[in-house]
Amino acid sequence: QKEVEQNSGPLSVPEGAIASLNCTYSDRGSQSFFWYRQYSGKSPELIMSIYSNGDKEDGRFTAQLNKASQYVSLLIRDSQPSDSATYLCAVNMLNTGTASKLTFGTGTRLQVTL
Amino acid sequence: GAVVSQHPSRVICKSGTSVKIECRSLDFQATTMFWYRQFPKQSLMLMATSNEGSKATYEQGVEKDKFLINHASLTLSTLTVTSAHPEDSSFYICSASLGQPSYSNQPQHFGDGTRLSIL
Repeated sequence: QKEVEQNSGPLSVPEGAIASLNCTYSDRGSQSFFWYRQYSGKSPELIMSIYSNGDKEDGRFTAQLNKASQYVSLLIRDSQPSDSATYLCAVNMLNTGTASKLTFGTGTRLQVTL
Repeated sequence: GAVVSQHPSRVICKSGTSVKIECRSLDFQATTMFWYRQFPKQSLMLMATSNEGSKATYEQGVEKDKFLINHASLTLSTLTVTSAHPEDSSFYICSASLGQPSYSNQPQHFGDGTRLSIL
């Protein structure tokens, strides 16, 4: 079982729709969760961070965390073609020995169509 | 926000050359930095954790004698790919976190990456 799992996609949504990206993780003791966006040929950039159960909204982005189910998601409202990228889920796992070390999923490729 | 600068952005060189990549935290002190490698259409692979003033911690399967890491100050870590070969061609990315390594709630901020091509 992978430590952080994401569907590789591609996830295709029409412009203006809601894109829903999902991630599950294996370490129940994980405390910090992050979503990064990576455009092709570029390095990842931080989109959202979430630390407690529930929803966290920032503009068109909403992160959702459910620690009991070991599940974190990212919703993108009013999807735009510029949102087309790979979205990486990253989890801080306590079993790595370094507090700030992150474990990344393989990423979900999102395609927003016109 | 936190800014991480990486240099150079692209390197093309002959096989057998050693290549040094710099990673700087511009507006904060980073006691811990991370070095990743990413092959085309694959996810990030952590190579090593760079610790200021001490030896780097390498991930399993990463040759420490080939990928030399130096973290001599709180704002600079370097990765040297020694005697590079075509199979070392990849996208190398560094990252850094705010605060002390014991703080687990800080995200990592990434540099722009270095695309290394070995001929």
